[in-house]
Formats: sequence, structure tokens, C-alpha cells
Amino acid sequence: EPEVTQTPSHQVTQMGQEVILRCVPISNHLYFYWYRQILGQKVEFLVSFYNNEISEKSEIFDDQFSVERPDGSNFTLKIRSTKLEDSAMYFCASRPGLAGGLDTQYFGPGTRLTVL
Amino acid sequence: AQKITQTQPGMFVQEKEAVTLDCTYDTSDPSYGLFWYKQPSSGEMIFLIYQGSYDQQNATEGRYSLNFQKARKSANLVISASQLGDSAMYFCAMRETVAGGTSYGKLTFGQGTILTVHP
Repeated sequence: EPEVTQTPSHQVTQMGQEVILRCVPISNHLYFYWYRQILGQKVEFLVSFYNNEISEKSEIFDDQFSVERPDGSNFTLKIRSTKLEDSAMYFCASRPGLAGGLDTQYFGPGTRLTVL
Repeated sequence: AQKITQTQPGMFVQEKEAVTLDCTYDTSDPSYGLFWYKQPSSGEMIFLIYQGSYDQQNATEGRYSLNFQKARKSANLVISASQLGDSAMYFCAMRETVAGGTSYGKLTFGQGTILTVHP
């Protein structure tokens, strides 16, 4: 069964460093997402990506964040200068993009980012 | 106002019994979808069940069913015959249609309910 994959599973970085989180969405899916979950809190939407551009972003997704689909399979989230408060689990998700927009979103296993 | 409210921080159930996890939502959008995800201690998000706002019948997937009461804006998850492996955090989430009819599909999550199944 196809699944969303994410690498690395855990990343530790120093404050101020750049990190790139990688995701491979399910092939033939058209919509891609990043969410984050601070430990013990709810899952929060960061950004959605469709047709090679950002379609929607939250107020969390400021200038420190960027997303890219550099080739036909990878989808990356870059944090330019990490802060302590960026420590969280980051989930990538994708969905097929069926008509009506109410199709299921599948999540990857997450990358746990720890900023020291 | 919270778009998704899960009022039960924690729930306990005996193995083999049924349990209901509550979820209420707030939207003025006539077209929306409601989802439940399971998050075990390992951290991944596992899709369980989906209910569309126009669906006439309550969704069911194996031991999971969704008690959808549209007028009350509630979408409670019912797990029948609980198993030890059901112990996890459960999240209710909603997707609305963006104004103008375009849905980019972002999900809004509730705070979650930790379910513990006792042997």
C-alpha cells in the first residue's frame, strides 16, 4: 500500500541553523501539506502546496519557512534559522485531489525536530 | 472560537467494551468533511474514518463508526469491542471549503483525547 515517507525521523540542530525536512508524498497525489505538533499539543496546519505553488499558509508559516518540490517526488520544508520554539513533530501529508475536495489526507510518520 | 472541540482529555475503557469519543465542530460552510485520526505513542497519524457533510448515513469502518449529528454539530467516534492496541491519542479534524468553492484541504484539529484500554 502506498504511503507518505519522511526523512529524517529525528533531527537535532542548534538554534540559528537551517534545517530541511524531506517528504515523499504518495505518487499521483496532487495536494501536499506540512503540519506541526508541539509536544503534548494539537496538530497545526502550516502550509498547503498545489500545482507547484503555495495555495494556503497559516500565520505560523512566516519568512523563516519555505517549501519546495524540487523534483517529481520530493517535497521539502526548510526552516532558515531555527528557534527553540520550532522544536516539534513535523508531519507531511498528501491527498489525491478528487473532485469536491473532500478526499482523505494521508500523513507521513513525522520528523521530530529538536532545537538546542 | 474553537473550530473543533474535544472535551475529553482522557478516557478509559475496559477491553472488549465500546467507547465514544466526543467531537463538536463549528462552521458556517455547508460543505465540509470530518475526520478522525489515531496517534499511537510512536507518533504517526493514522487515518480512521471520514464523514462528509452531505452524507446521509453515518460512516463506518470496521470497529469504528461515526455518530454524525449535523444539527448539533457533533461527530463522535464510536469504537466497538475495544482492544489493547486501541490505546492512543485520537484527533478529530475538519476540512472546510475555502470561500469561492475551492478547497485546498487544510485540516483543523481538535486537542485530542487520550484513550486507555484496560485489560
